[in-house]
Amino acid sequence: DAKTTQPPSMDCAEGRAANLPCNHSTISGNEYVYWYRQIHSQGPQYIIHGLKNNETNEMASLIITEDRKSSTLILPHATLRDTAVYYCIVRVENTGTASKLTFGTGTRLQVTL
Amino acid sequence: DTEVTQTPKHLVMGMTNKKSLKCEQHMGHRAMYWYKQKAKKPPELMFVYSYEKLSINESVPSRFSPECPNSSLLNLHLHALQPEDSALYLCASSHRGDRGSNQPQHFGDGTRLSIL
Repeated sequence: DAKTTQPPSMDCAEGRAANLPCNHSTISGNEYVYWYRQIHSQGPQYIIHGLKNNETNEMASLIITEDRKSSTLILPHATLRDTAVYYCIVRVENTGTASKLTFGTGTRLQVTL
Repeated sequence: DTEVTQTPKHLVMGMTNKKSLKCEQHMGHRAMYWYKQKAKKPPELMFVYSYEKLSINESVPSRFSPECPNSSLLNLHLHALQPEDSALYLCASSHRGDRGSNQPQHFGDGTRLSIL
């Protein structure tokens, strides 16, 4: 699986959009970009994933560049409860077997008043 | 609340004890996973079960013994652990993605294990 690079930490004011970048310059054509977050004392929580098109769900939006070498997770209106470590993971398409997630060091997002 | 339930939430054991961690899900997932997470580090995969059969072992020491008795349960048997095995042990499950679609993993909140 391709390696990802994320800033170690970011701050965001409550109510503002949080834009979390991820670099995955060695991504292959069959690899998806996944985002998870881990709130303190909890297990990781799935947020969103995509292959090449931008994706949106009730939690966030995922913007993937045209060359797929980087992506941005957008939390449109951050709240204090969004304070967590955010992991960007690249994973090969699953074709019938259980595959693993390889977590990087992630970005620690601190949402402040 | 998480759909993957792990028990116990906390466990303290001596190096000579034998204990088990349990994980349960009722989402019909046929892939289940054990991860280990040290403090301030990302989770690291230990084992993967697919249709109740061990499919990935990430070179985990034999003092950790996984078991998948049925499609809803996953156990991790512990014996003769070392202090450096103190960590958060996370269980996850997912659909296997038999139709080629990627399926996200759902995690429990883990068992925090301390080895004395």
